[in-house]
Amino acid sequence: EIVLTQSPEFQSVAPKEKVTITCRASQSIGRSLHWYQQKPDQSPKLLIKYASQSISGVPSRFSGSGSGTDFTLTINSLEAEDAATYYCHQSSSLLWTFGQGTKVEIK
Amino acid sequence: QVQVVESGGGVVQPGRSLRLSCEASGFTFSTSALHWVRQAPGKGLECVAMISFDGSNKKFADSVKGRFSISRDNSKNTLYLQMNSLRTEDTAMYYCANSGYPWGQGTLVTVSS
Repeated sequence: EIVLTQSPEFQSVAPKEKVTITCRASQSIGRSLHWYQQKPDQSPKLLIKYASQSISGVPSRFSGSGSGTDFTLTINSLEAEDAATYYCHQSSSLLWTFGQGTKVEIK
Repeated sequence: QVQVVESGGGVVQPGRSLRLSCEASGFTFSTSALHWVRQAPGKGLECVAMISFDGSNKKFADSVKGRFSISRDNSKNTLYLQMNSLRTEDTAMYYCANSGYPWGQGTLVTVSS
């Protein structure tokens, strides 16, 4: 099983600051890594697919990078509406796995 | 526009069965591998089952192996999850998902006596 380790697990950030979340895979997964945002009582929302591909309708302040085992989600100029839990997810193996989540709080 | 609608959830007693359905549109259903992902209350995400585009290959998480089965009807763009011998720990929101596409709202399964 491919294990995804996210860090940090919690981050408190002031508006307009930059947020960086990392996701490390236990083995190489190429670029088969996706990022989701989940707010309370909502389903996960796709933010970035295949490591760095943007999604229509997602604000441009969200970006992704990385390949192999190390990946990063960056939120430039954090806004109040970005308070949420963020998950990385790999689709390299037949049975997907997910990171444990990073909760982002607005200071 | 991708649309995914899960249904079939509800409250069920331990040991009973439930069948979930997922109707999807907006992508080529018949060529897509599909997955069921669940999220227990207050917990993270767990992929419990996958099925290949033609149904020939299926995988299950250890937590549901032998109790859950997955199937699909490509003529109806519908994915299924048959859940037998349900346990309280199967209580979760269940989502069907396709790699790189938006998810639906999910269907809630509550296993309780």
